[in-house]
Amino acid sequence: GQQVMQIPQYQHVQEGEDFTTYCNSSTTLSNIQWYKQRPGGHPVFLIQLVKSGEVKKQKRLTFQFGEAKKNSSLHITATQTTDVGTYFCAGGRGATNKLIFGTGTLLAVQP
Amino acid sequence: DGGITQSPKYLFRKEGQNVTLSCEQNLNHDAMYWYRQDPGQGLRLIYYSQIVNDFQKGDIAEGYSVSREKKESFPLTVTSAQKNPTAFYLCASSILAGEQFFGPGTRLTVL
Repeated sequence: GQQVMQIPQYQHVQEGEDFTTYCNSSTTLSNIQWYKQRPGGHPVFLIQLVKSGEVKKQKRLTFQFGEAKKNSSLHITATQTTDVGTYFCAGGRGATNKLIFGTGTLLAVQP
Repeated sequence: DGGITQSPKYLFRKEGQNVTLSCEQNLNHDAMYWYRQDPGQGLRLIYYSQIVNDFQKGDIAEGYSVSREKKESFPLTVTSAQKNPTAFYLCASSILAGEQFFGPGTRLTVL
């Protein structure tokens, strides 16, 4: 079946270091969404990318959607302790936008 | 105050009992979703509904049932046929093909 793989599963960084998580789909996606889930919390929407090769920035966060619409990445510049949490990508399937979630990357930031 | 609510936050049930999880939204969204989250894994889609009185199975529907009698409400019943029901259950809503808004979740433990 259709799968979305995400790496790494876990990343531990020192505050101020950069962080990147990668997302790969076995099939072409209609769009990709990114969510952040704080420990003990629920996923919160960050961004949606729709176009091939699209790049979007939100302050220290940079999101990319691959040319083939099968992969995506999230890069955080100069991490802060507030960035702690699990980052999920979610690939959209068709017009209904059923999402396939990746396994997530847990980010730990040491002050 | 618009949002999506789930109750209860924690739920304990004996093995073999059916249990119903509540999900209500006042965002006027047409689409609603139920996900299951297990430790170290992403979210897996159980059921989704795009319109009142209609719903479709997701990737792991076996042992679960839903109803959508009102736009605002999408309750999930975990039946005794679900082999491993202990998990974190998340409800979400969206406009079609849009970002998904998640409720705070219900943590179900079957004893």
